[in-house]
Amino acid sequence: NAGVTQTPKFQVLKTGQSMTLQCAQDMNHEYMSWYRQDPGMGLRLIHYSVGAGITDQGEVPNGYNVSRSTTEDFPLRLLSAAPSQTSVYFCASSDPRGSGGYTFGSGTRLTVV
Amino acid sequence: GEDVEQSLFLSVREGDSSVINCTYTDSSSTYLYWYKQEPGAGLQLLTYIFSNMDMKQDQRLTVLLNKKDKHLSLRIADTQTGDSAIYFCAESIIGGSQGNLIFGKGTKLSVKP
Repeated sequence: NAGVTQTPKFQVLKTGQSMTLQCAQDMNHEYMSWYRQDPGMGLRLIHYSVGAGITDQGEVPNGYNVSRSTTEDFPLRLLSAAPSQTSVYFCASSDPRGSGGYTFGSGTRLTVV
Repeated sequence: GEDVEQSLFLSVREGDSSVINCTYTDSSSTYLYWYKQEPGAGLQLLTYIFSNMDMKQDQRLTVLLNKKDKHLSLRIADTQTGDSAIYFCAESIIGGSQGNLIFGKGTKLSVKP
């Protein structure tokens, strides 16, 4: 099993550009989430989904959009990149019928210049 | 609101025991987790404890939960240089952002040979 796959691993954007961070899981997990990790800030929840067709905002949703058309995929879209969005982004998935522990992808390191 | 607190740094000598502490605020937490993050990598679930347990042991890892004080600890016996990483405490909340985790800012464990 691949687990949670994130692409790309690294990305540099110019201010104002848009892009989509891809996330796919092959464990048939209902729950998926996007977190950003910044130095000294820990992990902060951006958006999450409890199933296909259902998404909701987390702690820091501004500037990001998500959709969940399938169980497997949960892309994160940056609408107009800003330097404040320079961060490491992690996608995670979970089976709510289990212990609830999330499986994380290896992350996307994004730099906005 | 929900909050998880951890000390930011811990330094130990190889072979000693490490104890990483965490406090949380939401008494309705069902599961509490410990994640490990090595440099440049995603988060790896180390262990978890259900809220009706006081202790869980898994090889070199011992988790202690004091629900009265809302205190969680992770003890690593015979700490090795390979244990050097950032350790995150996290709680899951029922009734809140369902299925999502609230993370502490992480404790950086440095193991000196």
